[in-house]
Amino acid sequence: NAGVTQTPKFRVLKTGQSMTLLCAQDMNHEYMYWYRQDPGMGLRLIHYSVGEGTTAKGEVPDGYNVSRLKKQNFLLGLESAAPSQTSVYFCASRSGLAGTSTDTQYFGPGTRLTVL
Amino acid sequence: GQQLNQSPQSMFIQEGEDVSMNCTSSSIFNTWLWYKQEPGEGPVLLIALYKAGELTSNGRLTAQFGITRKDSFLNISASIPSDVGIYFCAGRSQGAQKLVFGQGTRLTINP
Repeated sequence: NAGVTQTPKFRVLKTGQSMTLLCAQDMNHEYMYWYRQDPGMGLRLIHYSVGEGTTAKGEVPDGYNVSRLKKQNFLLGLESAAPSQTSVYFCASRSGLAGTSTDTQYFGPGTRLTVL
Repeated sequence: GQQLNQSPQSMFIQEGEDVSMNCTSSSIFNTWLWYKQEPGEGPVLLIALYKAGELTSNGRLTAQFGITRKDSFLNISASIPSDVGIYFCAGRSQGAQKLVFGQGTRLTINP
């Protein structure tokens, strides 16, 4: 049971390049999330998914797209990378309903992205 | 929107001291979660709380869900060097899909 995994761990892009970050979870969780973490800004939600085939916008969705074709995977895409997207990206997943004893959320180890 | 105020923002303590931090919300939560994040790592879940008044321990860590459902605190007893890191609180209200996070408390320990 690996929990939440993310690939790659590190990436350097040039402005205008595209890339996809992969998040995978083996806990059969319904909900998955993508956050970015910048110094002094805490964790900000980019996009999330409440189940296979569904996605929704978070606080800072501009410049990103996501897909949840399989329950265990949640992909984050940058179509045309910009220096402002330099950040550490975290994926998370959870199983239960808010307010129930299964409402826990687990994070992956992160992807450090630099856009030059 | 919902906001969480976490305090203090940073703490500098001596090894062996006890630590206390708290979070307050402008609205009611049904779930409180406490995470620790070490440099270069993702947040790791420490304690989860689901009921008002609930007091839960995890080793030297103790967290409580406030009876008003708008606050929570985390205590660390007899701190050790490996407690260094950033501690985040997070809350979720009934039916919400998203967690609301505090800004974090950075803990530094002098040996």
